Order: sequence, then C-alpha cells, then structure tokens
Amino acid sequence: AQSVTQLGSHVSVSEGALVLLRCNYSSSVPPYLFWYVQYPNQGLQLLLKYTSAATLVKGINGFEAEFKKSETSFHLTKPSAHMSDAAEYFCAVTPGYSSASKIIFGSGTRLSIRP
Amino acid sequence: ETGVTQSPTHLIKTRGQQVTLRCSSQSGHNTVSWYQQALGQGPQFIFQYYREEENGRGNFPPRFSGLQFPNYSSELNVNALELDDSALYLCASSLQGGLTYEQYFGPGTRLTVT
Repeated sequence: AQSVTQLGSHVSVSEGALVLLRCNYSSSVPPYLFWYVQYPNQGLQLLLKYTSAATLVKGINGFEAEFKKSETSFHLTKPSAHMSDAAEYFCAVTPGYSSASKIIFGSGTRLSIRP
Repeated sequence: ETGVTQSPTHLIKTRGQQVTLRCSSQSGHNTVSWYQQALGQGPQFIFQYYREEENGRGNFPPRFSGLQFPNYSSELNVNALELDDSALYLCASSLQGGLTYEQYFGPGTRLTVT
C-alpha cells in the first residue's frame, strides 16, 4: 500500500524567506511522486514530478524537490517566497509501474506568505 | 491543446436526489479519473475509466457510478445524495500507455447537498 504524510497543515513564512514543505511517503514499490498546488476555488496544478530519473527535481514557479530514498522523503522547497505562492500544496504518490494508476494525495499544507 | 473541462461549476442538491457531473478530457488523453475533495482534505480517488470501462475503484459505495464515452469524455453519477457528499469533485485525464505519469486536473465541480 502507498501513502503520503505531509508534516504541518499550515506553514507561514515571510516574503523573501525560504519555503520548506515536508512530505514523507510509504510505498512497497518504487514510487512516482508529485507536488500539486491548488489556488482558492481552483483545481490542481502540477508543480513537479519525480519519476526515477534525477533525484533533484525542478518545477514551475521556482520550486524544487529532492527525492531521498533513505529518508522516504520528498520535501518541496523554494529559496525566496513570493506573495503569489500563497496556496494549498499537496504531495502525492502513485506506483511507478503503471502510467495510469490512481494518485494518492496527502492531506495538504496551506502556505501563507507574510508581507 | 484543450485542457480538462468540467460542468457545472457549482451545484446545489437536496439529500436523496441524484446528480450527474461531466468532464471533458484533455486532447489526446484516453483515461479519466474522478476524485472527491472534502473541505480541508486532500482529494480521494473514486474511480478511473479507460476504454469505456471502470479500471479501478476507491473506497466509495456503488451509488457512485460513472461512464466514459467514445470521445473519452466522462460522467460521474451519484444517487441518493447524502450530506457528506458535499465536496469538490475533480476530474483528471491522463494517457494510459504513455511515457508520463501525471494526471491533469480540471477546475472541479463544487457540489453542495442540503
């Protein structure tokens, strides 16, 4: 079975500060991992994905994440927060043997940016 | 390239009624998945359709059913609505057999059951 745990339901940082959103996964098979962002009253937008190639993955809007198998982690970072980054962020996992399997989401982390 | 679209945007229904939600998949995609996102939670997988057949189902009762049409668009039907069915329903399209693994989400339908 697969699952993801997002540590911290709410993270608040100052504009210009480092953003760190934590995600740990559990998977009995090699996982494919994703970060999605959801702005208020909108659907989900893919930020980045890990699919067993490079362990450091760069995404849109300056975000990146590093896959660490030894720590079963896939934390999301951004060096300098912008007000427009305020949103809900979801870490997600799917088994890496099928290109159309269901995606399992974490419970989400709400990111707030202080001026 | 046309993205995933869903209709309607918002819907209000009464307990016990039935509802149909619609989704048009992204051009070139052959698989549609449906998710339920309750307020303050992550999306939960309902089911997936590929080649007009159900191709996997989450922990949802049979009153949640779906269809996929030859043009890969899809419907989600919910019978005997309950208050707990109030949620954002997300449709996602993907390409089975493709080289990428992500699913592309539509904007969702907000269902309120009173």
